Amino acid sequence: AQSVTQLGSHVSVSEGALVLLRCNYSSSVPPYLFWYVQYPNQGLQLLLKYTTGATLVKGINGFEAEFKKSETSFHLTKPSAHMSDAAEYFCAVSDLIEEYGNKLVFGAGTILRVKS
Amino acid sequence: EAGVVQSPRYKIIEKKQPVAFWCNPISGHNTLYWYRQNLGQGPELLIRYENEEAVDDSQLPKDRFSAERLKGVDSTLKIQPAELGDSAVYLCASSYAGGSDSYEQYFGPGTRLTVT
Repeated sequence: AQSVTQLGSHVSVSEGALVLLRCNYSSSVPPYLFWYVQYPNQGLQLLLKYTTGATLVKGINGFEAEFKKSETSFHLTKPSAHMSDAAEYFCAVSDLIEEYGNKLVFGAGTILRVKS
Repeated sequence: EAGVVQSPRYKIIEKKQPVAFWCNPISGHNTLYWYRQNLGQGPELLIRYENEEAVDDSQLPKDRFSAERLKGVDSTLKIQPAELGDSAVYLCASSYAGGSDSYEQYFGPGTRLTVT
């Protein structure tokens, strides 16, 4: 069965500092990996995704993530945090992309706080 | 383009009462998902529809939960009777089958249910 572990339920960084949110996954087959962001009282918004090909993927708002198969990781980074990055971030895995959609398994989420 | 629409946004009911949530997916999206997000956790899939057909309802508590997607567009999720443990945010998502983005799920803002 698939699973996702996000290390650190809360992460606090200063504005302008590096953001690193950790995600490790478990999957019996090559995974598809996603990062979503959720702002208060809003739905989830896709930040970036890895399916095949280049292991370093770039997303919106300056975020990027690197798929490391040997470490079963998909950590999310951003070189310089902005106040508007404060939100909750979810890592998700899917081991099957069917013709009509896929089943996502989410981690518990990491709340990012950005200090001025 | 309008996103996924959900209503109501908030609902407070007493236990043992029925409740229903409504979702209108993005136009043209034939796959629809209902997720439940408990406090401090990531979303968990309840049911997935491909057009009118429920193709994955393995996580839906069928003794009290029901869902329908008439005409393959709008969907309703119902709980009857509600229990205290059903307090959560219920998220609806949709995706489009076909092309390279068929696995991208777009989420609505959710319905926050409080059972007292």
